[in-house]
Formats: sequence, C-alpha cells, structure tokens
Amino acid sequence: DAGVTQSPTHLIKTRGQHVTLRCSPISGHKSVSWYQQVLGQGPQFIFQYYEKEERGRGNFPDRFSARQFPNYSSELNVNALLLGDSALYLCASSPLAGDQQYFGPGTRLTVT
Amino acid sequence: GNSVTQMEGPVTLSEEAFLTINCTYTATGYPSLFWYVQYPGEGLQLLLKATKADDKGSNKGFEATYRKETTSFHLEKGSVQVSDSAVYFCALSYNTDKLIFGTGTRLQVFP
Repeated sequence: DAGVTQSPTHLIKTRGQHVTLRCSPISGHKSVSWYQQVLGQGPQFIFQYYEKEERGRGNFPDRFSARQFPNYSSELNVNALLLGDSALYLCASSPLAGDQQYFGPGTRLTVT
Repeated sequence: GNSVTQMEGPVTLSEEAFLTINCTYTATGYPSLFWYVQYPGEGLQLLLKATKADDKGSNKGFEATYRKETTSFHLEKGSVQVSDSAVYFCALSYNTDKLIFGTGTRLQVFP
C-alpha cells in the first residue's frame, strides 16, 4: 500500500510570495495533520483536518491556512512568505482522529 | 503548557554499545508518550508508544517505560547497530492528532 505522499519534495520561493503544499493520505485515512519542522527542531503542529473540517490549529499566524478535499487529500497554503517559514513541512494521516499517525516524507521549503 | 525535553545530541556510540536517550515531559493529566525515529531523507516513523503510567513500549530492541513519578520516558537499547543511526524524537499527545515533540536527539553509531 502507498504511504502518505507529499508534493513537491522541494520548493524555493521568494519573500512575499505564496506557496501551496499538497498531501495525499493513506487510502482510507480520513484525518490529516500538518507540522512544520525547522532545521534542528522538533515538528510543530499547524493544523488537523478530519472529514473536511478543521479540528485543531497550532500557534501559527493567519498567513497559514489549509483545507481538506472530499477525497481526504489536503493542501497547506502560506501567504506572504517570510525567511522564517523555511522548513520541512510534514503531513500525517490517520484512519480516525486520535489514531496512530503516519507521516509523509515532507516538503522542503526554502524562502530566499 | 505541555512540553517535552530531550537530551541534546549528537550521541555517538560504537556498534553493540548500550543506548540511553533521556526524555522528560511537562503535562497535566495523563498523556500518551511516543518515540518517533527519522532516518536520513525519510519521514517520521513511530518507534514505540505507551499510553499509561508504568506501561513499557518496545519495538526492534528499543524500550521505554512511562514513569509518572519522574515524568520521564527514556529510550533504551541494549546493543545498537550502525543502521540505528537516525534522529529520535520524544513526543506526547492527549489522544488527539496534536503531537508535541521534543527537539530531537541525533544518534550516530560507528562500526
């Protein structure tokens, strides 16, 4: 079975631009969560979506938004990029909210 | 607030040495505790977990015991291999999808 997939794998953007990151959960998984992992740090929770509704939000500015589609895939959007947004963005899926999470390989975002 | 503190790395060991990576947590109530591993170029993988006090999680020779009295969840392995070289993250959760991670500890095992 395919695991969690994320696209793109790498991305370079300029300050002030907008970016969209995509995540496809494991087949049958209805919950998707997003994390930001800055180099040398542990992942920080950004959002959780379950059945297309936002179930949780971390301490991130309104420049960060997300959504989940009817097929349970998800997008993370970041507006007005800052240098500090450079990080590995991880997506995780689980069958139901509260179940074990399975992580994708991440998207490496570099803001210059 | 809730938080996880891990020992700083890197931890450098020879093959077959004993491994301990310390993890302590600050939390109210009774969170579940986890160890995740991140191999180079790969995503996070769940290594083991414990959901209540005195539970022992184990997998692939790694073990960790949920110690409520010392708020700790130290990771141990009796004999490490080169293939264990990775970054190890301790985390807690209240059975939601919000995992709270420590900063990670890099383990380097040399032959």
